[in-house]
Amino acid sequence: SAVISQKPSRDICQRGTSLTIQCQVDSQVTMMFWYRQQPGQSLTLIATANQGSEATYESGFVIDKFPISRPNLTFSTLTVSNMSPEDSSIYLCSVEGKWGMALDTQYFGPGTRLTVL
Amino acid sequence: SQQGEEDPQALSIQEGENATMNCSYKTSINNLQWYRQNSGRGLVHLILIRSNEREKHSGRLRVTLDTSKKSSSLLITASRAADTASYFCATAPTSGSARQLTFGSGTQLTVLP
Repeated sequence: SAVISQKPSRDICQRGTSLTIQCQVDSQVTMMFWYRQQPGQSLTLIATANQGSEATYESGFVIDKFPISRPNLTFSTLTVSNMSPEDSSIYLCSVEGKWGMALDTQYFGPGTRLTVL
Repeated sequence: SQQGEEDPQALSIQEGENATMNCSYKTSINNLQWYRQNSGRGLVHLILIRSNEREKHSGRLRVTLDTSKKSSSLLITASRAADTASYFCATAPTSGSARQLTFGSGTQLTVLP
């Protein structure tokens, strides 16, 4: 499987501030995604991080709130902007298309647990 | 919106018993994947079954897929306390270039020692 790390693993933030979450993969991957998991809920896709171009957002998620970067094939960041308590969630990145692995299997990072006060 | 519904929402069994979780989905899929999540941590990929497959095995796991009923099941045999976790199914679409997964609502499995 892919080795995926996320930083930070958890954080407690004040409302109105922003937090940038990093996702690093141990080798190049084709696809990178960002998901949100609200407390006690399942996962919801935020966006697909595209290398060298703007991310593709799902309905209900906008770039101003969740700007995403993907400067290369192993790294991506998600920023949660102007946070409110409703943004308290676990944020997970996932990857697909790692060389040597099944192309359509998605592997997930350990997640970032965000609490907004 | 979530593609899949899973039942039961919660399942409690004794160690050594088998656990069966079911997943239903709404649209045509390319594949269906099962994941495990321990207490709010990252997801661990368990098994992938493609739309042209009916059954797959991996260790103590058995997954079935019925595309005519748009449903899948995950069977864990001889369960252990360490199997206690949330289990999610996730589907990948057949159409479009996007490869994003749509997750079910999850089943919380508790295995009692």
